[in-house]
Amino acid sequence: GESVGLHLPTLSVQEGDNSIINCAYSNSASDYFIWYKQESGKGPQFIIDIRSNMDKRQGQRVTVLLNKTVKHLSLQIAATQPGDSAVYFCAESSNTGKLIFGQGTTLQVKP
Amino acid sequence: KAGVTQTPRYLIKTRGQQVTLSCSPISGHRSVSWYQQTPGQGLQFLFEYFSETQRNKGNFPGRFSGRQFSNSRSEMNVSTLELGDSALYLCASSQNAGGETQYFGPGTRLLVL
Repeated sequence: GESVGLHLPTLSVQEGDNSIINCAYSNSASDYFIWYKQESGKGPQFIIDIRSNMDKRQGQRVTVLLNKTVKHLSLQIAATQPGDSAVYFCAESSNTGKLIFGQGTTLQVKP
Repeated sequence: KAGVTQTPRYLIKTRGQQVTLSCSPISGHRSVSWYQQTPGQGLQFLFEYFSETQRNKGNFPGRFSGRQFSNSRSEMNVSTLELGDSALYLCASSQNAGGETQYFGPGTRLLVL
């Protein structure tokens, strides 16, 4: 069945370090992947996306890597800051308006 | 450009009642999707509307329904509320239907007593 999972429910990093959040997906028909950040009391905020014809995409301090061979997605955050503390979700889509979300990873940034 | 707005932000209802939630998409966006978020089930897709038509529906009972108006604003309705319907209901909009970036609103927090 369709599912998107994250490897770790919680990730704790030191301020200034790089963070890597991982996600595994199971639907090989998925061709669009998104990372969202959700802070307490707010809706998910778009961070970065990638389509299946790419294996890497960079944004401001964030990089998404896609490995279609092993159906793995990762989000790298450079120089993690306290403001990065949130729950991070990966989501997949296959040209429908339906996003399938993973369970989320809580990123804790220690000062 | 203003983001996705949802009203009301908080709602308390009792079992058996019905509720209507409203969503205004980002200006120019024609697709609206709804999701339910709970601690136990995470984020689950409810339905997607585009050009006033429901394109996709998630695995929820018929008590959950929605509609979209000609100005792309959307409402969802839950009838005969159950305790398990307590959740954060999120609306997301995208420019077009299918496989596009969805931008979320702040959600409506529903508590069923």
